[in-house]
Amino acid sequence: AQSVSQHNHHVILSEAASLELGCNYSYGGTVNLFWYVQYPGQHLQLLLKYFSGDPLVKGIKGFEAEFIKSKFSFNLRKPSVQWSDTAEYFCAVNLPNNAGNMLTFGGGTRLMVKP
Amino acid sequence: NAGVTQTPKFRVLKTGQSMTLLCAQDMNHEYMYWYRQDPGMGLRLIHYSVGEGTTAKGEVPDGYNVSRLKKQNFLLGLESAAPSQTSVYFCASSHRGRASYEQYFGPGTRLTVT
Repeated sequence: AQSVSQHNHHVILSEAASLELGCNYSYGGTVNLFWYVQYPGQHLQLLLKYFSGDPLVKGIKGFEAEFIKSKFSFNLRKPSVQWSDTAEYFCAVNLPNNAGNMLTFGGGTRLMVKP
Repeated sequence: NAGVTQTPKFRVLKTGQSMTLLCAQDMNHEYMYWYRQDPGMGLRLIHYSVGEGTTAKGEVPDGYNVSRLKKQNFLLGLESAAPSQTSVYFCASSHRGRASYEQYFGPGTRLTVT
């Protein structure tokens, strides 16, 4: 079974700092990759996803992620964070042909952006 | 569209009590899921359903049962609650087909078992 690791459990940044959150997965074949965000008191929502094509994907709110197959990584980046980016971020993976399109999530990274 | 809704939002149970969590979606999605979220462990899949009348076990199914009698509803039951089931429970749904389809999540149910 595949697994997903998020290296940083807690990240604290000041506004305008650059962000990079790490995500590694353990499956050697073709995968679909997702980043979800959970703002305080809200439900999870999709930030971006990769399933084929350009390994650099852009999502909502200025976020982007790069799929590096050789490193089994899908790191999330944002050049300049805002206070409103304070949230928990989850990386997730699934296999293209799995029955039910089940997702495997990483443990999450809590980001706090100080104004 | 309400999207995915969950009832109740909060609940406190005593050990041994039972309860049912209700998930409803109005997007005509075929697939539905129940996850639990625990600090540092992300979301873990409890059970899922690929269609009305069908359910399957996920990663952490023990102590839970589910039913999907109607396409739009997915119920999660705890027959005899234990403190280890204290968690936040999320329901999600998605279209059938490509695994790249995103899952849409409900607002969550915070359950405390004392």
